[in-house]
Amino acid sequence: EVHLVESGGGLVKPGGSLRLSCAASGFTFSNYPMNWVRQAPGKGLEWVSSISSSSGYTYYGDSVKGRFTISRDNAKNSLYLQMNSLRAEDTAVYYCAREGMESGYDYLDYWGQGTLVTVSS
Amino acid sequence: DIQMTQTPPSLSASVGDRASITCRASQSISDSLNWYQQKPGKAPKLLIYAASILQSGVPSRFSGSGSGTDFTLTISSLQREDFAIYYCQQSYTIPRTFGQGSKVE
Repeated sequence: EVHLVESGGGLVKPGGSLRLSCAASGFTFSNYPMNWVRQAPGKGLEWVSSISSSSGYTYYGDSVKGRFTISRDNAKNSLYLQMNSLRAEDTAVYYCAREGMESGYDYLDYWGQGTLVTVSS
Repeated sequence: DIQMTQTPPSLSASVGDRASITCRASQSISDSLNWYQQKPGKAPKLLIYAASILQSGVPSRFSGSGSGTDFTLTISSLQREDFAIYYCQQSYTIPRTFGQGSKVE
């Protein structure tokens, strides 16, 4: 069974940094691109970043580009999100999600339970 | 960036009703459109990908249609467990954008 478990969230001051982790199990992690998606309190879903299966390609949303860095360690079945220069508007639940693919289509087929990041002084 | 607009933002319905949600893309995305369901305090769940393909394990009362810029999610007969928020998402290009959500209540 596929499991994704995020950790590393918490309270951080504006301008601070935080590193999120996502531990994956139940599938061959190195075969799948992975994503981070966030959801501010009471708001909708916002795609944050994605990384290819071998880390060769990384992509970011405009709101986090230059501040966040996605990475992965296939030997440890883990996904990471390094968040720097945090702002109040980065406050959200952060989900890691597996990117499934079929016949040229991709989708987020498994999600973790999320970890809450709160940016406040 | 491709903007995704969902209508209606909320939908009042009863058990047994047919419910439809529309998602419109700001430019053509072919059929690269996914639908997710989210219940309070839970992670989103994939329902439909490629506009009309039902994810494994999802009840057949859910269906998706459309291509280009206009898409529809239909629930043929609402069950109690279907009251939730539904999001569309385009997977045509980066950044992957979501609609703002439609609440079925």
